[in-house]
Amino acid sequence: AQSVTQPDIHITVSEGASLELRCNYSYGATPYLFWYVQSPGQGLQLLLKYFSGDTLVQGIKGFEAEFKRSQSSFNLRKPSVHWSDAAEYFCAVGPIPLNSNSGYALNFGKGTSLLVTP
Amino acid sequence: NAGVTQTPKFQVLKTGQSMTLQCAQDMNHNSMYWYRQDPGMGLRLIYYSASEGTTDKGEVPNGYNVSRLNKREFSLRLESAAPSQTSVYFCASSDSLDYNEQFFGPGTRLTVL
Repeated sequence: AQSVTQPDIHITVSEGASLELRCNYSYGATPYLFWYVQSPGQGLQLLLKYFSGDTLVQGIKGFEAEFKRSQSSFNLRKPSVHWSDAAEYFCAVGPIPLNSNSGYALNFGKGTSLLVTP
Repeated sequence: NAGVTQTPKFQVLKTGQSMTLQCAQDMNHNSMYWYRQDPGMGLRLIYYSASEGTTDKGEVPNGYNVSRLNKREFSLRLESAAPSQTSVYFCASSDSLDYNEQFFGPGTRLTVL
C-alpha cells in the first residue's frame, strides 16, 4: 500500500539549532514526494517537492530535503531554525490513483509539530 | 490570482443542521479535493473531483455530499451535521498533468454542537 509515516509527532528545537524531520514512504514505483508546512490557523503551503533528478532538493524558507531510495526516506532539513518555523509539517507521497475516474491524489503523513524554544 | 478560496472561515452548527462549504480556484485546475483535518489524524480525503462533471468518494465520505458546479467551484454539503463532523475542512486543487502538486485553501473551522 502507498503510505507515508512521520515517526515524530512532536519535535522541540532551540532557535538557531539544526532541524531534521523524518519521513518514510511506501510506494511501488518512483514516488513524487512533497513537504508542506501549516502555520497555526492557516492552510498548507508547499515547501518543496521531488519528482526526479537530483535527490537533494531545495525549497522555500531555507529548507531542503533528500530523497534516499534505499531507505525509502525523504527527510526535511534546515541548518538553523528560526522561531517563525514553529508549525506543523506534513510529508506526502503520490500520485495515488483514485478509483476509475483517472484522478490522482496524495497520501499525507499525520504530521510533525515543531516547537522552537528561545 | 487568489489561488484557492474557501467560505466560510468559521461556522458553528447545531446537530442536525445542514450547511454547504464553498470552494473556488482560479488556476484552471482540473482536479479538486475536500479533506478534513483532525488532531493526530493528518489529512483525510472526503471526496474528490478528477475533472469537471465527475465526483467520487475518498477515504471518509459518510455524511457528506459534493457538487462540482463548474471547473472553478467544488462545494461540500453536510445534510445533517453531527458532532463527529467537528473538524477543519480544506479544499485543494491540482492540475493532474502537473505531477499532482496540490494547492490548498485556508480552511473552514467547523464546530457541531
